[in-house]
Amino acid sequence: EADIYQTPRYLVIGTGKKITLECSQTMGHDKMYWYQQDPGMELHLIHYSYGVNSTEKGDLSSESTVSRIRTEHFPLTLESARPSHTSQYLCASSEWTFSGNTIYFGEGSWLTVV
Amino acid sequence: DAKTTQPPSMDCAEGRAANLPCNHSTISGNEYVYWYRQIHSQGPQYIIHGLKNNETNEMASLIITEDRKSSTLILPHATLRDTAVYYCIVSNDYKLSFGAGTTVTVRA
Repeated sequence: EADIYQTPRYLVIGTGKKITLECSQTMGHDKMYWYQQDPGMELHLIHYSYGVNSTEKGDLSSESTVSRIRTEHFPLTLESARPSHTSQYLCASSEWTFSGNTIYFGEGSWLTVV
Repeated sequence: DAKTTQPPSMDCAEGRAANLPCNHSTISGNEYVYWYRQIHSQGPQYIIHGLKNNETNEMASLIITEDRKSSTLILPHATLRDTAVYYCIVSNDYKLSFGAGTTVTVRA
């Protein structure tokens, strides 16, 4: 069972507001990720981090930003939310071993922008 | 990363084995085969992965062909709780790209 936590689980927010989705893991994993998934659609990688002070953009362009100041914490921020940002955001972490890279996901944060 | 091809959907009877195929004909020598599943928009759940050899754990078995161009995930005794989208991913990178997967429906 993976120890990765996301808050809030559900959020309804007005257009133009700033929001931060929190993600924490207690496994000491170096690699962390943010995926975005619209209902019934595929997951898309929007941000990832190889370790502290490392952040990279993923395959899908996103207006969100991330930071990695501590190993266990990888928050995602939207400076000015818009209805097009309505989606589910999934945080994940992993550690590469000699047998491959297993990614563990949190339960997701559902964001609705009205 | 190598591209994978999975059937869009399949049904399975409860209590029977479910065999989920995946084609990855362009796989390279150092790419692993990973299987994940996603139940009703929860976060994806790791199932199993392998490089060359067949693998088995408490959830499933993974059979990789000798040429590594295809694989099969086997759920030995499917239950209603196994209804989910199953993703086959091939990668040698930290990042995993999820495709459309196979929607598996287990019927009583």
